[in-house]
Amino acid sequence: DQQVKQNSPSLSVQEGRISILNCDYTNSMFDYFLWYKKYPAEGPTFLISISSIKDKNEDGRFTVFLNKSAKHLSLHIVPSQPGDSAVYFCAASARGTGNQFYFGTGTSLTVIP
Amino acid sequence: EAGVVQSPRYKIIEKKQPVAFWCNPISGHNTLYWYRQNLGQGPELLIRYENEEAVDDSQLPKDRFSAERLKGVDSTLKIQPAELGDSAVYLCASSSTALYGYTFGSGTRLTVV
Repeated sequence: DQQVKQNSPSLSVQEGRISILNCDYTNSMFDYFLWYKKYPAEGPTFLISISSIKDKNEDGRFTVFLNKSAKHLSLHIVPSQPGDSAVYFCAASARGTGNQFYFGTGTSLTVIP
Repeated sequence: EAGVVQSPRYKIIEKKQPVAFWCNPISGHNTLYWYRQNLGQGPELLIRYENEEAVDDSQLPKDRFSAERLKGVDSTLKIQPAELGDSAVYLCASSSTALYGYTFGSGTRLTVV
């Protein structure tokens, strides 16, 4: 049972434009969300997080939006750069689960120069 | 600060053979995780340690998988005997109890032939 879903396996965007990566979850107990970025042959690296008490968190070119009623979050990258080309995973955790995160299947982003 | 170190990076074995993976977490990180990532999927938790205690191993196939974390630092994950379906990337991650989210190692890519 996939509790975190990323329905777009891949996304291509022109350099300088906005990239929007989407993530949906089913467990209403999830209250903390992360985005990880993964390059080939490397482990995932933490990118940005958001708590359920917020609906937006921004860090430089990266902004994560959370819509709790829709159980949906999105990652916006503006402007997109070729170095952003990677696989992006969203992950969700519920308080009291010992920091256990459930991961989506990932979206492969390609930024075209 | 050194990151999470895993070895080996790659391993090819014949089915029914044993294999072991090693992980050295970030110094001071009490919590250690082993995840498995199948091709095209997100990471899935196998086992979580708090110091030397395995506090969540519900997803670990105990008939063939075993893990240990002696002295609450390094950890090893073993498969015996390996099956074709065990081919995947095995990721180790660690976190401090004061943090949310965690740091992954580069993973071990296992191929069972």
